[in-house]
This record gives sequence, structure tokens and C-alpha cells, in this order.
Amino acid sequence: EVQLVESGGGLVQPGGSLRLSCAASGFTVSSNYMTWVRQAPGKGLEWVSVIYSGGSTYYAESLKGRFTISRDNSKNTLYLQMSSLRAEDTAVYYCARASGGSYSDWYFNLWGRGTLVTVSS
Amino acid sequence: QSVLTQPPSVSGAPGQRVTMSCAGNNSNIGAGYDVHWYQQVPGTAPKLLIYGNNNRPSGVPDRFSGSKSGTSASLAITGLQAEDEADYYCQSYDSRLSAYVFGSGTKVTVL
Repeated sequence: EVQLVESGGGLVQPGGSLRLSCAASGFTVSSNYMTWVRQAPGKGLEWVSVIYSGGSTYYAESLKGRFTISRDNSKNTLYLQMSSLRAEDTAVYYCARASGGSYSDWYFNLWGRGTLVTVSS
Repeated sequence: QSVLTQPPSVSGAPGQRVTMSCAGNNSNIGAGYDVHWYQQVPGTAPKLLIYGNNNRPSGVPDRFSGSKSGTSASLAITGLQAEDEADYYCQSYDSRLSAYVFGSGTKVTVL
């Protein structure tokens, strides 16, 4: 079955760090464009980061320097390393597979169920 | 604040047709980038509903249709059903931000 399963969320103090994982099955992470999208409680969707099949990475401007996307090809798993966390980073974090032609026309056609990150003291 | 603007809510009776807009500008929709739509039932992950402005993935009923013109796009649901009650988000790419952007979301209520 083709699916994505996130893990690693939880309660973290402001200024802390957390690494999210997204295990893929039924397809190869390294051959696809993979993204992270987050959703704060009661709010809309916000794109976080993308990693190309070639390894290039891009981030939402507001998150540059604090978040790092990566993957482990041997584990077929996507990661999001988050540091210097703030209360406003509290959200459900979804990993998703991107598809489409040009990168500017990509859409997200496979989503995980998400993992909740709560930043609070 | 979302880059793409959607009405907060729309509603309709079962069987009716409802539409929702997604307004952007010349650095996203108006620049020619595709618009995609997602359906999100509260408590679950988003699901791709329309891609490439007006294409439906396999399994999505033809009651859902998308269109795009100028700096905006629209999603229409015909023959509204109770199961269509959800939040709907548009998505595109913004060249000024170099980022994928989502709309603010529209909640559809079936009366």
C-alpha cells in the first residue's frame, strides 16, 4: 500500500528542538519530490519545505535557518529537523508527496495523517 | 495572512450547486501557475481534489470542477451532498515568495 506515516511529534519547550520522521511505503522517497506542510490549530495550511529527488532543498522564508529537511534513502524516510522552536510553531505537521510537471505547478497528491507538535512551557 | 484569499464559508442545501473563489495576484495565479484544490474533513489530512486547474484525480466524483481566469480560480460543487461538508483549500506557487502558497480555506456547510 502506498502511504506516508509521520512520527516524532510531541510537547517541547520554547527554544527546544525536535525531529519529525515520515516513513514511506509503496514508493521510493528519493525518486520523488517530498514536502512538509503544517497546520496550526484551527488555522489553514502552510507550506514548510521541499526536497527534490536530486537533493536540493527549499524552505518557507520565515523558517529558513531553523528547519532542515532531509531524507534517509536506506530507510525510505523523510525528516524535518526543527530547532529554536517557538509557540507559533505549534501545529500538525504533514508530510506529502509532490507531483506535476514544472516545480511551479506541483501539487500534493499523497499525504500522511500528520503529527502534532506543541511548543509550550 | 494567506497569500490566496478564499471566502470563509459557503453553504447550500443538498442537491444545490455551490462555488467558492480563490483570489491571488500577478505573482501567483496571475503569473500562469496552476491552481490545485484540497478537501479536508476536520480531524483528517487534506485530500487532493483538483489538480492543474481543472483535472480530477481518479476516484473524485465529477460533481467537483475547477476553473481559472486571470488572477483567480474557482471550485464548484454540483449536486451537493452531506459528505461534501468539509474545508476546501486552493494552492498555487508564488514567484515573489519562491514558495507554494495555500488559500485561507472555505468551510462548506450542507444545510
